[in-house]
Amino acid sequence: DARVTQTPRHKVTEMGQEVTMRCQPILGHNTVFWYRQTMMQGLELLAYFRNRAPLDDSGMPKDRFSAEMPDATLATLKIQPSEPRDSAVYFCASGLRRQGARNTEAFFGQGTRLTVV
Amino acid sequence: AQSVAQPEDQVNVAEGNPLTVKCTYSVSGNPYLFWYVQYPNRGLQFLLKYITGDNLVKGSYGFEAEFNKSQTSFHLKKPSALVSDSALYFCAVRDPSGNTPLVFGKGTRLSVIA
Repeated sequence: DARVTQTPRHKVTEMGQEVTMRCQPILGHNTVFWYRQTMMQGLELLAYFRNRAPLDDSGMPKDRFSAEMPDATLATLKIQPSEPRDSAVYFCASGLRRQGARNTEAFFGQGTRLTVV
Repeated sequence: AQSVAQPEDQVNVAEGNPLTVKCTYSVSGNPYLFWYVQYPNRGLQFLLKYITGDNLVKGSYGFEAEFNKSQTSFHLKKPSALVSDSALYFCAVRDPSGNTPLVFGKGTRLSVIA
């Protein structure tokens, strides 16, 4: 049963601490997305990668957020330093984009619920 | 840039009644449209998509959606609601190039009352 795996599921941290969230995309998928979900803003795209290269990270606050894909099986989202306003659920999603193929859906992980106190 | 509007924050419906969750979109060209459902403390699950072809798309759990190009709408429907359908529903759009990520609406919370 292929699925996107995110760790940790929950994270409580103090303001100013570094937070790292990890995502294992579905094997074979070449596109990875990071979304943030809050009550006020709904689902916001933070960044996405194709074939491990960042295509768009304009949704991320650059001074504190960074996203990387060290290899095809791991995507990371880091916040340093974290702030209370970063409290949200962070979702990773993966998909397969193939040349000339019909558009496919994105598959979501269960999310990391981050609380910064 | 593409966008999606879900005009209702909350929809209440009695069990056994038909349900509709509304979605309108804005995109240049022919859109790719999606519906996702989110249950409490879970990620989003794909329900159905419209890429091309028949305007009525059937998806998981008995849901269907109708693409209406003239009204730029993609409403989600189900003939008979179940209490277990209570969840948060998201409409999403991607532009025809396929090179952009999904853009989501704010979500509509569906409550099905027994």
